[in-house]
Parts: sequence; structure tokens; C-alpha cells
Amino acid sequence: SQTIHQWPATLVQPVGSPLSLECTVEGTSNPNLYWYRQAAGRGLQLLFYSVGIGQISSEVPQNLSASRPQDRQFILSSKKLLLSDSGFYLCAWSTTEKLFFGSGTQLSVL
Amino acid sequence: AQSVTQPDIHITVSEGASLELRCNYSYGATPYLFWYVQSPGQGLQLLLKYFSGDTLVQGIKGFEAEFKRSQSSFNLRKPSVHWSDAAEYFCAVGATGRRALTFGSGTRLQVQP
Repeated sequence: SQTIHQWPATLVQPVGSPLSLECTVEGTSNPNLYWYRQAAGRGLQLLFYSVGIGQISSEVPQNLSASRPQDRQFILSSKKLLLSDSGFYLCAWSTTEKLFFGSGTQLSVL
Repeated sequence: AQSVTQPDIHITVSEGASLELRCNYSYGATPYLFWYVQSPGQGLQLLLKYFSGDTLVQGIKGFEAEFKRSQSSFNLRKPSVHWSDAAEYFCAVGATGRRALTFGSGTRLQVQP
């Protein structure tokens, strides 16, 4: 069966520090992969999606970036975190019918 | 572009009472509609989805939703709420040819004993 792993579960980082969140999917090949962010009291905002290795589409211009170095690996990065980057980050993958989410990373930028 | 509105930010119901969570969408064609549930600190779990066919959709955990094209709505219902249903619920819409979903801002459900 397909599973999605996301880590770390929680992260506290100072302003200006770099960020790397990793997501891997097992049990499927060539999945569509997504990064969403959920800010406190708000819905989910799509940040990036990828339909294949090295193919990244950005939905919202910001200081975050994403990379897909392998078929089932999706990385969210930042060179310098801002306070406004705090939130709950969710990785997801999809079939044609369903979107499956990882357990999320709670990022606090202080 | 598609959009989703969940007009109720927070709802409180008594255990055993019925529940209806509202969702309105905006999309020019027939949408793909979803309801997800998120427990505290957790990812999202799919409750049910509508693609086509019968407009009353049954999901997991006793939930159902009805697609009403004339009202652009996809409200989530449950006849009898359990304390374990307390969570945040998200409605989402997908569009033909677009791979990502657009989510509403969520409705937080609180269940009183």
C-alpha cells in the first residue's frame, strides 16, 4: 500500500535560518506531489506541486522553494526564514481521484 | 479560477445531535468536490468525494454530503455526532486539468457532552 512520510513533525527555527523539510512516498511511482501550508486559523494554501522529477510549479511567490531530486522525494526549502513562514506544512501526493496527506510539520519561526 | 467558501468558522454541537457543515464553491464547470477532516496536529483524512453521478455521496465515519449544482453547494452531514468527531473539516474543489485542489478555510467542530 502507499504511504507518505514527512519529517520532522515539529521544528523551531530562528528568523534568518535555513529550512529543509523532506517528504517521501512509498508504494507508487511517478506520483504528483504537493506542498501545502496551513497558517493558524486559516485553510490550506497550495505552495508547490510537481508532476515529475525536476518539474516544480510554484503557486505563490515567496522565499520558499521546492525540489524533487528523486521520483518519490519532495523537499521544501528556504535560505532565510521569515516570521511569516510559521505554520503547518503538509506534503501530499495524488492519484487521479484522491489526495493523500502526510502527517505534517509544525514550523515555528522565532 | 475555482474557489471554496466555508461560511462557518466554528460550530458547537451536542453529542448525538445532527450536524451540517456548509460548503459553497465557485467553478465554471462540473467540479470535483471533497471533504477532509483534520484532527489536532495531524494530516488530513479524506471523508468523501464527489466526481459525478449520484449527488448524495456516502463517506467514512457515517458522514454524507450532497452536491447541489443550483446552489453551488456541497454540504457535509451526519445524523448523530460522536465526541470523536471533534476536529477541523475542510471542503475542497478540484478542476478538470488542474492537478491541485483548492481548499476552504475550514470549520472547527466542537462536540459537547
